[in-house]
Amino acid sequence: QVQLQESGPGLVQPSQTLSLTCTVSGASISSGAYYWSWVRQYPGKGLEWIGYIFYSDNTYYNPSLKSRVTMSADTSKNQFSLKLTSVTAADTAVYHCARGSLAAGKKGCGMDVWGQGTTVTVSS
Amino acid sequence: DVVMTQSPLSLPVTLGQPASISCRSSQSLVYSDGDIYLNWFQQRPGQSPRRLIYKVSNRDSGVPDRFSGSGSGTDFTLKISRVEAEDVGVYFCMQGTHWPWTFGQGTKVEIK
Repeated sequence: QVQLQESGPGLVQPSQTLSLTCTVSGASISSGAYYWSWVRQYPGKGLEWIGYIFYSDNTYYNPSLKSRVTMSADTSKNQFSLKLTSVTAADTAVYHCARGSLAAGKKGCGMDVWGQGTTVTVSS
Repeated sequence: DVVMTQSPLSLPVTLGQPASISCRSSQSLVYSDGDIYLNWFQQRPGQSPRRLIYKVSNRDSGVPDRFSGSGSGTDFTLKISRVEAEDVGVYFCMQGTHWPWTFGQGTKVEIK
């Protein structure tokens, strides 16, 4: 079955860049049938959509984060990545990668497969 | 951004009894294709979210039929016909009609 696994540093210093990778198994990220997304969950449990990538280089970012976010994909490793620059304590959260469908009438249905999430703390 | 407001935020329920969660959006969720992209997710303690229902009332594979979704326009409801112990967790609504997609604050379901 499809599995997603996040990886990256658990601690990032303020003003630095947060970098995370999601490794996908059981499906190809270049298939074109799915989009691959990042969602973060704050300590109080609220969820925020960061953005998604599909066809390896098409991206949609949340406008609230657009100036600081870059997503990319490495099809040779079947991975996609998130970079968030100039982080502050407000970026402390659990970061989830997840998959959603690009099929007609399905794109807005949210994600059907999620990674377990990785906790990132921004602190000096 | 479209604001999704859930109520109640905490829902103590007796085992075997029904439960109902409301989700209201600040704008209509009817998309240009006529569909309504209102989805429900369950997050059990220590786990990632899991989608239960998409487009208002469509249950995902493996989701028990005691879960049902309904609603239209800006007003939506998730119902659990008879709560079981495994239903404990936080439930989120999410709209996928307007970018950026947004989530409700979450409703914590616990057993009395």
